[in-house]
Amino acid sequence: AQKVTQAQTEISVVEKEDVTLDCVYETRDTTYYLFWYKQPPSGELVFLIRRNSFDEQNEISGRYSWNFQKSTSSFNFTITASQVVDSAVYFCALSLYGGATNKLIFGTGTLLAVQP
Amino acid sequence: KAGVTQTPRYLIKTRGQQVTLSCSPISGHRSVSWYQQTPGQGLQFLFEYFSETQRNKGNFPGRFSGRQFSNSRSEMNVSTLELGDSALYLCASHYAAGGPDTQYFGPGTRLTVL
Repeated sequence: AQKVTQAQTEISVVEKEDVTLDCVYETRDTTYYLFWYKQPPSGELVFLIRRNSFDEQNEISGRYSWNFQKSTSSFNFTITASQVVDSAVYFCALSLYGGATNKLIFGTGTLLAVQP
Repeated sequence: KAGVTQTPRYLIKTRGQQVTLSCSPISGHRSVSWYQQTPGQGLQFLFEYFSETQRNKGNFPGRFSGRQFSNSRSEMNVSTLELGDSALYLCASHYAAGGPDTQYFGPGTRLTVL
């Protein structure tokens, strides 16, 4: 069975601090995709990044960076110099490749509160 | 390009009623997936449609159904509403079925069942 675990339920930081959101996944498939989404209070899930299982290169996009490690089945997300606008719930998700499905399996989310 | 739109944004119903939610995908996207989000169960997959065909279904009772039209717009229906159906229903649009398509979500419909 596939599963995504986000052990951190809530994180509170002060603006300009760096913060890392953890994501651990479980799957027996060798080909899969991992995603991060942001859900602000408005409710819409905003796509942040997609990574496939064959690409373990870390990625940086502005203040955001992602660390994918197959050896530990982790796909962690770091926000550098956090800002109040980063306050949201962040979801990690897993999607399997192959077959006629795009079903996303989500973790339980991490609520990030950035205090001014 | 316009994003995914969902209507209505808010809905209040009573137990036993039925409800229909609508989703218009991003132009050119042919697949629509639906998810239910509740505080207790989190985000759960409901179903996925491609070319008017249901490609996958989550573990929900038969009271939950959906369909997709030839213009890729989708509707989901919940009959005989229960209190536990109160949730945020999110629609996601993606280009095609199968494979690693990125799903783009709409703002959701918040359903409250009294």
